[in-house]
Amino acid sequence: LAKTTQPISMDSYEGQEVNITCSHNNIATNDYITWYQQFPSQGPRFIIQGYKTKVTNEVASLFIPADRKSSTLSLPRVSLSDTAVYYCLVGQTNSGYSTLTFGKGTMLLVSP
Amino acid sequence: DTEVTQTPKHLVMGMTNKKSLKCEQHMGHRAMYWYKQKAKKPPELMFVYSYEKLSINESVPSRFSPECPNSSLLNLHLHALQPEDSALYLCASSQEGQGRSTEAFFGQGTRLTVV
Repeated sequence: LAKTTQPISMDSYEGQEVNITCSHNNIATNDYITWYQQFPSQGPRFIIQGYKTKVTNEVASLFIPADRKSSTLSLPRVSLSDTAVYYCLVGQTNSGYSTLTFGKGTMLLVSP
Repeated sequence: DTEVTQTPKHLVMGMTNKKSLKCEQHMGHRAMYWYKQKAKKPPELMFVYSYEKLSINESVPSRFSPECPNSSLLNLHLHALQPEDSALYLCASSQEGQGRSTEAFFGQGTRLTVV
């Protein structure tokens, strides 16, 4: 399984755009990149997934360069409620299930 | 219904007790998972069930015993636990598939305290 490296923590203010970069140098050809968000004492929640280039949904964008050795989660105009831990995961589904391996994650603190 | 429901939400048990954690989903997912999460640490995979069969056991001690009675239910039976087993236990489910890493839906977890 590809190992991921993220900043341990980031600080931002309400209304700013936040970019969290994840490094995954040994990503395999068939691996997808997935980001999860976790609030204290809750289960992780899927945010976005991509394979290459750019993916956008209603909450975030995911930028993946051509070599796929890194990815950047972009959160537009964050609010206080975006304070959470964000996990970058790399992997694929084999034999009908995904073995999600969580790295240390990035603790994002949004201040007023 | 895109929910994974875990019960109980909180559990305090003694080291000689036997208890069970329950997890239920009605999304038709055929892959179900147990994770353990200690404070300020990422979730760690414990068990994976695929089509009600145990597919992965991440070298979990035998005092944790998983069970998948049907495609919607997943249990984790606990016996003779140690205080260091205190953690948030998370259940998740995902659609079966190949290739693309599928979205996993997590429950709110059971906060377990062993005294």
